[in-house]
Amino acid sequence: SQELEQSPQSLIVQEGKNLTINCTSSKTLYGLYWYKQKYGEGLIFLMMLQKGGEEKSHEKITAKLDEKKQQSSLHITASQPSHAGIYLCGAGGSQGNLIFGKGTKLSVKP
Amino acid sequence: DAGVIQSPRHEVTEMGQEVTLRCKPISGHNSLFWYRQTMMRGLELLIYFNNNVPIDDSGMPEDRFSAKMPNASFSTLKIQPSEPRDSAVYFCASSRLIGVDTQYFGPGTRLTVL
Repeated sequence: SQELEQSPQSLIVQEGKNLTINCTSSKTLYGLYWYKQKYGEGLIFLMMLQKGGEEKSHEKITAKLDEKKQQSSLHITASQPSHAGIYLCGAGGSQGNLIFGKGTKLSVKP
Repeated sequence: DAGVIQSPRHEVTEMGQEVTLRCKPISGHNSLFWYRQTMMRGLELLIYFNNNVPIDDSGMPEDRFSAKMPNASFSTLKIQPSEPRDSAVYFCASSRLIGVDTQYFGPGTRLTVL
């Protein structure tokens, strides 16, 4: 079965610094989703990547899917306290479900 | 659009009691998913429906768990009898299509079984 591994598990950065979160799959990805979750709240959809080499940006967050479609990265530029939360990557399963990584907890120090 | 609606947001119950969680998907979405999130296991898919029909319930942990979707705008997840290890946050999500399509999540129900 497909597994997603996220790294790092947690991250503390100073406000204004850049950071990268990685998501690695044991199998080829046919749809890679990035979500953000704040404590006690639901998951907020950020971006979805499908094609090898694809890159998408929204405000200061950029997500990339590598050419082999087995690894994705999420990059935040000039981090702000509002970026704090748990970032999860999810991949489309064979039957239409989503399989998620364990998440990366991001804290941004003002 | 109101998004996915879940109720209750918080539920505290005693072991052995029946618990029913409710979900209203986004209008026009044909697929509905129930997930459970714990610190130890992360987000796990329990069951999902397409056009109100259960497609895969292999993630349902035990016979104590059951889910129904009587119509396109309502689904329930029931635990009977509940146990302390069922304590978790339960999320409902919906998508327009099954397959590679974005799932939108509800705010979750935080269940505590004492």
